Amino acid sequence: AQSVAQPEDQVNVAEGNPLTVKCTYSVSGNPYLFWYVQYPNRGLQFLLKYITGDNLVKGSYGFEAEFNKSQTSFHLKKPSALVSDSALYFCAVRDMYKLSFGAGTTVTVRA
Amino acid sequence: GAGVSQSPRYKVAKRGQDVALRCDPISGHVSLFWYQQALGQGPEFLTYFQNEAQLDKSGLPSDRFFAERPEGSVSTLKIQRTQQEDSAVYLCASSPSGAEKLFFGSGTQLSVL
Repeated sequence: AQSVAQPEDQVNVAEGNPLTVKCTYSVSGNPYLFWYVQYPNRGLQFLLKYITGDNLVKGSYGFEAEFNKSQTSFHLKKPSALVSDSALYFCAVRDMYKLSFGAGTTVTVRA
Repeated sequence: GAGVSQSPRYKVAKRGQDVALRCDPISGHVSLFWYQQALGQGPEFLTYFQNEAQLDKSGLPSDRFFAERPEGSVSTLKIQRTQQEDSAVYLCASSPSGAEKLFFGSGTQLSVL
């Protein structure tokens, strides 16, 4: 089965600093990887996906993710974090027709 | 345009009661998914519909859980004889096809007392 792991429960950064949220994957075959964000009392929102091609994927709200095959990683990044980026972030992998999610990383951006 | 709508937003049930959770997907979306999200955890897959056909129900925790989508649009997740361990947020998601980009509802938070 395909799976992802998010090694950090929490990430804290100051506004304006770079933000990185880590994700590693375990798949057989080519990985289809995703990042979703969940704001309080809201459903999950799609940020970006990697299917194939360029290892640097750009997504919504200024986020990007870097696919690294040798390290089996798909880290989410933002060059300059905003307080409004504080939320719960989930990495996911497509397993046939469904998505399997990581446990999530809580991001807190302090002013 | 309307997104995925779930109702009720909150549900409190006494142990042993039956509950029904409703999902209105985005119009025209073929694929519909139910996920269960326990506190502090990521969403766990429950079941998947393609139109009215339930193609995978492998994630349903027990035979007390039942889902349907009779006309290929609205879906209902039913839990019979609720137990405390059923307390969680139940998320519904839809997509035009498959699991490329899912659109999630806000969820139903179920508390079983």
